[in-house]
Amino acid sequence: QPVLTQPPSVSAAPGHEVAISCSGSNSNIGNNYVSWYQQLPGAAPRVLIYDNNHRPSGIPDRFSGSKSGTSATLGITGLQTGDEADYYCGTWDTSLSGVVFGGGTKLTVL
Amino acid sequence: QLQLVESGGGVVQSGTSLRLSCVASGFSFSTNGMHWVRQAPGKGLEWVAVIRNDGNSKDYAESVKGRFTISRDNSKNTLYLQMNSLRVEDTGVYYCARNPSRIDIASADFRGQGTLVIVSS
Repeated sequence: QPVLTQPPSVSAAPGHEVAISCSGSNSNIGNNYVSWYQQLPGAAPRVLIYDNNHRPSGIPDRFSGSKSGTSATLGITGLQTGDEADYYCGTWDTSLSGVVFGGGTKLTVL
Repeated sequence: QLQLVESGGGVVQSGTSLRLSCVASGFSFSTNGMHWVRQAPGKGLEWVAVIRNDGNSKDYAESVKGRFTISRDNSKNTLYLQMNSLRVEDTGVYYCARNPSRIDIASADFRGQGTLVIVSS
C-alpha cells in the first residue's frame, strides 16, 4: 500500500485540463517538497516537477505543481493525446527516512 | 547531454548476488545525490536507496535494508548497487536517477532506460 494516495485513473478530452491529486501526511508532504513524474507506455519515468512547483528545462508550462498542507496537485492544461501516461508523485518521508511514491494515476485523453 | 547508463542486470536465482552500475555523463556527477528506483512488472515506482554527493550519507528502503548497498566512485562518474540475498520480489527494472534539486534530496531525474533484474526461485 503506497504511502501517498493518488486516484487510480483520470480522464479528460483533448484541449481540456486535468488535476491529479496526491495526499499524504505531516511526515511526508506536509513538511517536505513534492515531485511529479510522467511515465509514457514502455518508457522510463521523467521528472515533470520538483521542489513543489519547479519545471526542469524542456518541460512545457502546460504542466504545473502546487502544494497545500498535506496534499499536492499536478495540473495539466491543453491536454494532448501524447499526455496519456502514468503519473506519480513523490516526496521525502521524515519518519521513514526515505523517498515515498504514490501508487500512480493513469491519465486517459479521450 | 545529461545521460545515465545502467547495466549489470540479468536472471539470477534467489539467494544470490548481483551488482548494478550506472555511468553518468553530461553533468557534474560529484555534486549530485543519486538514487536507485525500481519498478516491478506492471507495478508502480518503488524507491530503493539514495547516496549524497560525497558518498558519506546513505538511506535505504526498509525492504532492502541490510541486503543492498549503494555506493559511488566520483572519479569514475559511476554509481553502484550491490544486491545480496536476492528475493523473487526484487524482480524489476532498476533505474538510477540524479537528484536535480539543491534543496530537496528526494527528487529524481531519470535519464536512463534502466536494467532488468529477474530473480527466479
